[in-house]
Amino acid sequence: DTGVSQDPRHKITKRGQNVTFRCDPISEHNRLYWYRQTLGQGPEFLTYFQNEAQLEKSRLLSDRFSAERPKGSFSTLEIQRTEQGDSAMYLCASSTRGNTDTQYFGPGTRLTVL
Amino acid sequence: GENVEQHPSTLSVQEGDSAVIKCTYSDSASNYFPWYKQELGKRPQLIIDIRSNVGEKKDQRIAVTLNKTAKHFSLHITETQPEDSAVYFCAAGLTGGGNKLTFGTGTQLKVEL
Repeated sequence: DTGVSQDPRHKITKRGQNVTFRCDPISEHNRLYWYRQTLGQGPEFLTYFQNEAQLEKSRLLSDRFSAERPKGSFSTLEIQRTEQGDSAMYLCASSTRGNTDTQYFGPGTRLTVL
Repeated sequence: GENVEQHPSTLSVQEGDSAVIKCTYSDSASNYFPWYKQELGKRPQLIIDIRSNVGEKKDQRIAVTLNKTAKHFSLHITETQPEDSAVYFCAAGLTGGGNKLTFGTGTQLKVEL
């Protein structure tokens, strides 16, 4: 499968714990995006990378959230001191900068904070 | 920032009928408008997109129209089939500016036999 992959697919954690998610974009896609989707809503933009540079962060991304893309390939999203309000589907997407800019989404990581 | 409104939130049609979903956006700078289909528990999948330099685009049974002056765009599905049942999201973005997408709240389309 050469699409966007995410790991884990599901994560259950207790409030206050730290969690980390991984996204592997389509090979050679230089842009990588993180979105959050809650039940019954559309995805909400969190942050994006062009190669290894994090170029924009949403105000939704509190200080407890940090994202990295150290070598311009895979990315990680870490949430520290999780809260129940962090429960959501975390989606990753990748694209190639150019005429198409089409974003291809991964299957998501569903986070449940108890 | 950009704000995208989408309606209706639910839409039920008979198989073979047409379905229309409408979206409006607020930022006149937005120039890229994709539509995604999301089945339950699955990832959003792009079904069609349109850029601001064209007013209409078709792909088999699916078409999208864009009115830049009014800042609204619509998805048209003709000859609907049961497998079209899903949640559809419109979005707006700015290519060349990172192209972060702002999504609508989704339309649950149900195609009844």
